[in-house]
Amino acid sequence: EVQLVESGGGLVNPGESLRLSCAASGFALSDHNMVWVRQAPGKGLAWVSSITSSSDYIFYGDSVKGRFTISRDNAKNSVFLQMNSLGAEDTGLYYCVRVDYYDTTGLYFAYWGQGILVTVSS
Amino acid sequence: DIQMTQSPFSLFASVGDRVTITCRSSQTISRHLNWYQQKVGKAPEVLIFGASRLQTGVPSRFSGSGSGTEFTLTITSLQPEDFATYYCQQHYSTPITFGQGTRLEIK
Repeated sequence: EVQLVESGGGLVNPGESLRLSCAASGFALSDHNMVWVRQAPGKGLAWVSSITSSSDYIFYGDSVKGRFTISRDNAKNSVFLQMNSLGAEDTGLYYCVRVDYYDTTGLYFAYWGQGILVTVSS
Repeated sequence: DIQMTQSPFSLFASVGDRVTITCRSSQTISRHLNWYQQKVGKAPEVLIFGASRLQTGVPSRFSGSGSGTEFTLTITSLQPEDFATYYCQQHYSTPITFGQGTRLEIK
């Protein structure tokens, strides 16, 4: 059974940092691209960052570029999101998501973790 | 960035009804469009990928259509477990973007 379990969230002050972790099990992490998606309280879904299976390509949304860093350790079946200079606008539920492909260019977000809450407030 | 616009924002319907949700993209995305369902307090789940391909295990009352800039998600014969929020998502180009969501509620 595919499982993605996020950890590392919590309450921090503006300007502080957090590092989210995602523990993957039930599949070979090294075979999949992974993404982080966030959802502000009561709001919709927003893609945050993507990392390819071998970390060759990494992408960020404009709102987090320069502040967040995605990484992975396939040997430890883990994906990470280092979040620096956090602001109130970063508050929300962060999901770790596995990307599947249905053809050479078509993808979808196949498996989602349960999400981890990040709250930025003084 | 490609903007995704769903309509309606919310929808009231009854068990057994047929409902359609529309998603429009600000530029053509071919058929690079997915649909997700999110129930309250739960992570989203994929329903449809590639505009019309049904994810394994998703009931056949769900269907998707469209290409280019206009897409629809149709649910025939609504069931109680279908009341949720639905999101479209384009993956034609980065950044991947979602629609704002359509909340489907019981009438």
